[in-house]
Amino acid sequence: QITLKESGPTLVKPTQTLTLTCTFSGFSLSTSGVGVGWIRQPPGKALEWLALIYWNDDKRYSPSLKSRLTITKDTSKNQVVLTMTNMDPVDTATYYCAHIPTIFGVVPFDYWGQGTLVTVSS
Amino acid sequence: EIVLTQSPGTLSLSPGERATLSCRASQSVSSSYLAWYQQKPGQAPRLLIYGASSRATGIPDRFSGSGSGTDFTLTISRLEPEDFAVYYCQQYGSSPGWTFGQGTKVEIK
Repeated sequence: QITLKESGPTLVKPTQTLTLTCTFSGFSLSTSGVGVGWIRQPPGKALEWLALIYWNDDKRYSPSLKSRLTITKDTSKNQVVLTMTNMDPVDTATYYCAHIPTIFGVVPFDYWGQGTLVTVSS
Repeated sequence: EIVLTQSPGTLSLSPGERATLSCRASQSVSSSYLAWYQQKPGQAPRLLIYGASSRATGIPDRFSGSGSGTDFTLTISRLEPEDFAVYYCQQYGSSPGWTFGQGTKVEIK
């Protein structure tokens, strides 16, 4: 059974750096093809893809946020970490992580975490 | 970057009716890499359709996807009470990245 859970601060101040951790079970990021992505959703608004990382450390970033994002993985801990610098109130959103079964197939995010709400305010 | 435009923004229908949701891409999308998700309030999105027309595990057959190139459609043949939600399309085959549409809300009329 695949599960993912996001964790991190619920409140950050403008200009600070946000660090979110996705802790998962039921799969391994050392398995060929597997990936994990991050997606966010401002309150009442649409989903926005942020970044993803694959088993081979291949990383992809949203072009509009690339300069502010870093995604890393710790295979031994079954975790993926997303950092976002220079936070602004417009970055207030629920942040989700999600599982990608294989880069070699056509299935995108098939399992999602419950999401964590991050508020940016002074 | 590929932009996905969904229409209509809101669809007001009654249970038992047919729902037709549209997703139009700013440039051609490989059919293998077009997905639809359902999201209910307070919940994470759920994968419904991938590869434009393949149902994800456990998804009822009243949900179907079709389309190619720049025009894709999600059809719900007969709306059940639990189908009233927001639906998003997503493309995931292009570089530099994956994108979502802005969503279509299916509400009870």
